[in-house]
Amino acid sequence: QLQLQASGPGLVKPSETLTLACTVSGASISGSDYYYWAWIRQPPGKGLEWIGSISYSGSTYYTSSLKSRVTIFDDASKNQFYLRFKYVTAADTAVYFCARVKPGLKENAFDVWGQGTMVAVSS
Amino acid sequence: DIVMTQSPDSLAVSLGERATINCKSSQNVFYHSNNKNYLAWYQQKAGQPPKLLIYWASTRESGVPDRFSGSGSGTDFTLTISSLQAEDVAVYYCQQYYTSPLTFGGGTKVEIK
Repeated sequence: QLQLQASGPGLVKPSETLTLACTVSGASISGSDYYYWAWIRQPPGKGLEWIGSISYSGSTYYTSSLKSRVTIFDDASKNQFYLRFKYVTAADTAVYFCARVKPGLKENAFDVWGQGTMVAVSS
Repeated sequence: DIVMTQSPDSLAVSLGERATINCKSSQNVFYHSNNKNYLAWYQQKAGQPPKLLIYWASTRESGVPDRFSGSGSGTDFTLTISSLQAEDVAVYYCQQYYTSPLTFGGGTKVEIK
């Protein structure tokens, strides 16, 4: 059974760099299943925003509004993928979810989600 | 970017009654080449991640009760809960995957009247 679990520091200071990890169990992130994986965030009380995705081969795709500050990368040996977010501000306070892109397309619905990790940006 | 607009923002429906949520995209999300609408619906209960209900605008994800149905094409879509149950209280989101960036609607909160 595929499961994802996001983890992170919980609290970061403005202008710092945030790094989140998503641990995947029940599937290989870089194997022959050809899956894509994604980060999505949700500010408190607000809607959902797709941040970006990474493929089984390490190719990455980002939303244009965040592209200059965001990097998604993976570590196949740990079966994890990561979100690195530079120069965070209070506006980046949100629950960050990792999810699997439904197999079949690079851009698709998200069919398996992790529980999410809350990140607060505050001094 | 494709903007997804949902209506209403919230609705209260009696148990057993029908709930209807609308989603409008600022651009067409229908691909003529494969005759598919690149539109999904999610349910998010309090404190939980979203759950995929519907994809290709009208295909139910495995395990989703058949009281949930999706319809529409092009730019106008609807999620219908045919007989509202207490466990359906949640916020519902639409999402387009026609083109990047993938975008979501603002959400519709469904409550019991």
